[in-house]
Amino acid sequence: RKEVEQDPGPFNVPEGATVAFNCTYSNSASQSFFWYRQDCRKEPKLLMSVYSSGNEDGRFTAQLNRASQYISLLIRDSKLSDSATYLCVVNRHFNKFYFGSGTKLNVKP
Amino acid sequence: EAGVTQFPSHSVIEKGQTVTLRCDPISGHDNLYWYRRVMGKEIKFLLHFVKESKQDESGMPNNRFLAERTGGTYSTLKVQPAELEDSGVYFCASSHEGGWTEAFFGQGTRLTVV
Repeated sequence: RKEVEQDPGPFNVPEGATVAFNCTYSNSASQSFFWYRQDCRKEPKLLMSVYSSGNEDGRFTAQLNRASQYISLLIRDSKLSDSATYLCVVNRHFNKFYFGSGTKLNVKP
Repeated sequence: EAGVTQFPSHSVIEKGQTVTLRCDPISGHDNLYWYRRVMGKEIKFLLHFVKESKQDESGMPNNRFLAERTGGTYSTLKVQPAELEDSGVYFCASSHEGGWTEAFFGQGTRLTVV
C-alpha cells in the first residue's frame, strides 16, 4: 500500500469555482503534513503546511483529520494561475518526506 | 537568498556511462535530501544527509548510486554505470535543522539514459 494516496485527476474547473482535493496517508505515526504545488517541468514548491487545527492562507484552506488519516486542500475562487499539480506530502521519519503522485488541476477561462 | 541549485538541469547519456549530479543547498541548511521521479510515478526518497553524514540512505536503488557531501556543503550523486531505468528527474532539497520542517527543492536534473 502506498504511503500517500491522491486522486490523480485531472480536475477541470472554470475560473471562480471552488475545488477540493483529498489525500490519505497510511501510517498513523506521520508527524507533519504539507501541500506542495508543482508546475509543469518545475520543482515542487511549498504551498502550505497543514496543521491539526486547520489553516487558511488567502483562497487556500488546508485541513488535517488524524483519526481518518486524510488531508484536504480547498481552493476558492480558482484562478487560471492555480493550474498545476498539487502534491500531498507527509513526513513520518525524521525529515523523510513521502509524496503522493499528485492531483492535476486545470482551471479554464 | 539563493535557493537550492542543481547542476546540470538536463543530462543525456548512454547506457553504461557515468553521470554526476550536483546540488548546492540553501546556505545554513544542514539537511540535504535527494529524491527522484521516474516517468509516471510519484517522487521518491533516495537519501538524507545531516551535514556530511548519511542519515538515511534506504531509498538508494542499488550500489550503482553513490552520494557524497564532503564538508557538509554541496552534495553529488553519481550514477555508475547508468542504466535505462535510471532515467527520470532527480530533485535535491534542503531544510533547516530541527526536523519536521518543510523542505525547499531545487529545479531538478532531468536525466535521460539512452
